[in-house]
This record gives sequence, structure tokens and C-alpha cells, in this order.
Amino acid sequence: NAGVTQTPKFQVLKTGQSMTLQCAQDMNHNSMYWYRQDPGMGLRLIYYSASEGTTDKGEVPNGYNVSRLNKREFSLRLESAAPSQTSVYFCASNRGHQDTQYFGPGTRLTVL
Amino acid sequence: AQSVTQPDIHITVSEGASLELRCNYSYGATPYLFWYVQSPGQGLQLLLKYFSGDTLVQGIKGFEAEFKRSQSSFNLRKPSVHWSDAAEYFCAVALSGGSYIPTFGRGTSLIVHP
Repeated sequence: NAGVTQTPKFQVLKTGQSMTLQCAQDMNHNSMYWYRQDPGMGLRLIYYSASEGTTDKGEVPNGYNVSRLNKREFSLRLESAAPSQTSVYFCASNRGHQDTQYFGPGTRLTVL
Repeated sequence: AQSVTQPDIHITVSEGASLELRCNYSYGATPYLFWYVQSPGQGLQLLLKYFSGDTLVQGIKGFEAEFKRSQSSFNLRKPSVHWSDAAEYFCAVALSGGSYIPTFGRGTSLIVHP
């Protein structure tokens, strides 16, 4: 069981470039989440998917898009990266209501 | 909307000393409450959670937390800290009966002196 995996681990982009962060879970979880973590800010929810085929905005969705490709995979796309999107991005998943969230190891993104 | 406050940005303790990390929440009903730990360069790991029942919750790694409704608090404790406990600790709150999307506090960084 790999749990929640994220790729890449590190990425450096120039302003205006696009990229997709990948997340996959092998726990047959229904719900998946994308968070960003910034110093002194804790984790803030970007988007989540309560179940396959659905996605919803979180607290800070601007500048991002997501795709729930199937039950296992939930990707986060930056169409035109900005320096303000420099952050550590975490993917998480759980079965659903009341279940513990399991987190991936994170992707450290720097936008120059 | 629910909110979570961790009033201490940094806490420094000596190895072997007791620890208490504070967490206060703002929500009318009893929420679901969590404590997570994040070691440097790692993702978050659940230490313990409270949904209902006994207000003193035992978690992994010797941690416990007590839910106090009257104080809207869910403080994390450990009787004797080990150097390996140095990490970032996050309290989180979720609406019971809602979408179960936790709101995280800003975190408390624990420094352990030998």
C-alpha cells in the first residue's frame, strides 16, 4: 500500500508557465483534496472532490483547476503560474464523512 | 464559519518535560476535532481525533488531548517529550454532520532542547 502519492516532489516554474500536479491514492477512498501550505498560514483548501465525478471549490481556488480523473487520481493544474502560487501543495484523501484524512508527502513549487 | 486558533507559534521545551499545545475553536455546536503532526519535509500524520464520547482522547506516540466544551478548547498534551517530537503540530476542526472538510489552525512549531 503506497497510500497517497504525489508527483513531482519539487518543481520550479517561470511566471506564466503551466503545470499539473498529480495525486493518486490506492486506498479506494471516495474523497480527495488539494491544500496549499504557506509559512504561518496552516493548510488552506484549494479544491476537493467528494466523490468520483464531482469537484468543488475550497477556500483559495483562484488560479487553479482540478480534474478527478477516476476514483484513484485527482490532479491540480496551474494554467498560468504566478509567484503568489509558490507554496507546498498537499493532496489528501479519505473514505468520506467522519473518516481520517491521509496526506501525501507534498510538492514544493517555486514560481520565479 | 468555523475557525481554529493555535495561539502559540513556537513552543520550546526540554527533553523529558511535559508539553501542552493549545487549540481553541469557534463554532456553535460540537465539532469534530483533530491533531496532526508534520515532521520536516513530510506530510501530515493524524495523532488523534475526537468525535463524541469520552472527552479525554488517547492518540499515537503517547499524546492525548482533552475536549473542554465550556472553553471551546482541545489542547494536546504529552507527559514527557522526546527529541523526536520536534515537529509542527496542527489542530483542525470539522463541522459535524456537514461536508467534513477540516479547517486547520496555523500550526505550532515544537522545539525540543536536550
